[in-house]
Amino acid sequence: AQTVTQSQPEMSVQEAETVTLSCTYDTSESDYYLFWYKQPPSRQMILVIRQEAYKQQNATENRFSVNFQKAAKSFSLKISDSQLGDAAMYFCAYKEFNFGNEKLTFGTGTRLTIIP
Amino acid sequence: GAVVSQHPSRVICKSGTSVKIECRSLDFQATTMFWYRQFPKQSLMLMATSNEGSKATYEQGVEKDKFLINHASLTLSTLTVTSAHPEDSSFYICSAPRSRETQYFGPGTRLLVL
Repeated sequence: AQTVTQSQPEMSVQEAETVTLSCTYDTSESDYYLFWYKQPPSRQMILVIRQEAYKQQNATENRFSVNFQKAAKSFSLKISDSQLGDAAMYFCAYKEFNFGNEKLTFGTGTRLTIIP
Repeated sequence: GAVVSQHPSRVICKSGTSVKIECRSLDFQATTMFWYRQFPKQSLMLMATSNEGSKATYEQGVEKDKFLINHASLTLSTLTVTSAHPEDSSFYICSAPRSRETQYFGPGTRLLVL
């Protein structure tokens, strides 16, 4: 079974600074997507960024970028210029496309605190 | 705006009663929807995959007779917690894939069984 590992239960960063959240995954598939989701106190899951495995270029969305290392099966999230609104739980997730099975597998999450 | 809705957002019920949670895709059709359960300070655990026009697929360890899923139309899936007990208290989230790379989540339902 595919697994997603987030080794940092909690992280904190000073406002306006940069923080990197780690994620590793295990798979034997070649066609898959990786995602970072944010879950604020409201508990609504919000997509932060996604990466298709076939694309070598790292995805970027404004202050959010990823470092996708396919061979190492690593998918870290970098948040630049951290803002108070970035405080949330962040989940790394994996999705493969195998015989119609398109379910998301989530990591255990990292709680990010922003220090004013 | 929200593209996946859930109703109710919060429900309190007595032990032994059944509770139905609805999940709707608002502006797209979803032949598949997913139901997750989330305990406090934990990750989302997939319970089952809801399939329009066929039986739901349950994850290992999830009681299909306890958690009944019906995918009545291309925009509606329901999760019924039957004979609820306090240990069923949790946060339930549904999601629906709009495309290969896009999956939207509902706002969740907080269930408290007394």
